[in-house]
Amino acid sequence: AQTVTQSQPEMSVQEAETVTLSCTYDTSESDYYLFWYKQPPSRQMILVIRQEAYKQQNATENRFSVNFQKAAKSFSLKISDSQLGDAAMYFCAYRINNAGNMLTFGGGTRLMVKP
Amino acid sequence: KAGVTQTPRYLIKTRGQQVTLSCSPISGHRSVSWYQQTPGQGLQFLFEYFSETQRNKGNFPGRFSGRQFSNSRSEMNVSTLELGDSALYLCASSFSGTGYGYTFGSGTRLTVV
Repeated sequence: AQTVTQSQPEMSVQEAETVTLSCTYDTSESDYYLFWYKQPPSRQMILVIRQEAYKQQNATENRFSVNFQKAAKSFSLKISDSQLGDAAMYFCAYRINNAGNMLTFGGGTRLMVKP
Repeated sequence: KAGVTQTPRYLIKTRGQQVTLSCSPISGHRSVSWYQQTPGQGLQFLFEYFSETQRNKGNFPGRFSGRQFSNSRSEMNVSTLELGDSALYLCASSFSGTGYGYTFGSGTRLTVV
């Protein structure tokens, strides 16, 4: 079975600073995708960034970037220039390719941004 | 372009009752997935429907069921409600099985009393 682990239940960052959220996963599959989702109080899960396992290059989306270490099964999210609007729950997720749309989520990290 | 619409947003039911939740996907999306989110168990996959067929199923008891209609709208049903079924139920839609455009709704908050 696939598992996703987020070891940091809560993180705090000063506005404009950088923070890194950790995620590790366990799988025997070789073809999969990894995601970071943000869930603000509005409850809707919003895709922050995605990474294809076959790509060695780390994904980047504006202030958000990942450090994907396939051998170590590690997938951390770095948020640069943190903004108040970044405060939310962040979930790491995993999906096997060609197996439908079934995401396995980590337990989440609550990110607080201090002004 | 309208997003994924879940109705109702909030629901209170009594233990032993049954409940039906609705999810209208983004126009053109044929895949609908359902998730249960609780403080204790986190986010867990319930099932996925694609073109009216269940394609994947999570590890939930048979009290949890779903279906998808020809217009891709989906419903999930929980029979004989238990207190532990209190949760936020999220659905997500996608154009296909590749996850392209996978978009979540804002969920239905179910409280069982």
